[in-house]
Amino acid sequence: QKEVEQNSGPLSVPEGAIASLNCTYSDRGSQSFFWYRQYSGKSPELIMSIYSNGDKEDGRFTAQLNKASQYVSLLIRDSQPSDSATYLCAVNTQAGTALIFGKGTTLSVSS
Amino acid sequence: GAVVSQHPSWVICKSGTSVKIECRSLDFQATTMFWYRQFPKQSLMLMATSNEGSKATYEQGVEKDKFLINHASLTLSTLTVTSAHPEDSSFYICSAREGRSNEQFFGPGTRLTVL
Repeated sequence: QKEVEQNSGPLSVPEGAIASLNCTYSDRGSQSFFWYRQYSGKSPELIMSIYSNGDKEDGRFTAQLNKASQYVSLLIRDSQPSDSATYLCAVNTQAGTALIFGKGTTLSVSS
Repeated sequence: GAVVSQHPSWVICKSGTSVKIECRSLDFQATTMFWYRQFPKQSLMLMATSNEGSKATYEQGVEKDKFLINHASLTLSTLTVTSAHPEDSSFYICSAREGRSNEQFFGPGTRLTVL
């Protein structure tokens, strides 16, 4: 059974702080890794994709991948109240197949 | 970026009726589309994978005769909920994969309420 695990939270951080979201996956053959943001009542929005070990930065977001540890994380710098949402980690084991989603971590940024 | 639309955005219907939901990729060709369902405060549940020109692949526990999927073109997939019942009330979301990319882009979702 291929699984993606996330802490459900809520993760609460003050405005301006760094939010750190973590995800582990069970299938060592996983190739592609994604972070989606989902606001309440809305559909998921792709914010980051990462395919190789190391860090990938895009604005205030940094995705980190460690395939040896089967671990992927998302850092949000200078957190804003508008970042408050559920963050979904998704993993793809084979090109073209469906993503396997974690249950998501709820982030709350207080002003 | 890749844009996926869904229609309708919400629908209310009587028990026993059928409802069709359309998913379109607006600025790219989607060889594969995926249909998900999400109940309140729960995670996304994959229902089926739809490849253009072929039959959809349904996840275990999803009734293929109840949830009819048609992927007739590279930009359109439809989900028909047949003989809908109140327990089918949910948020239905499609996603589309662009070409050889592994990235999937979601439509805005359709909120179905069955009375």
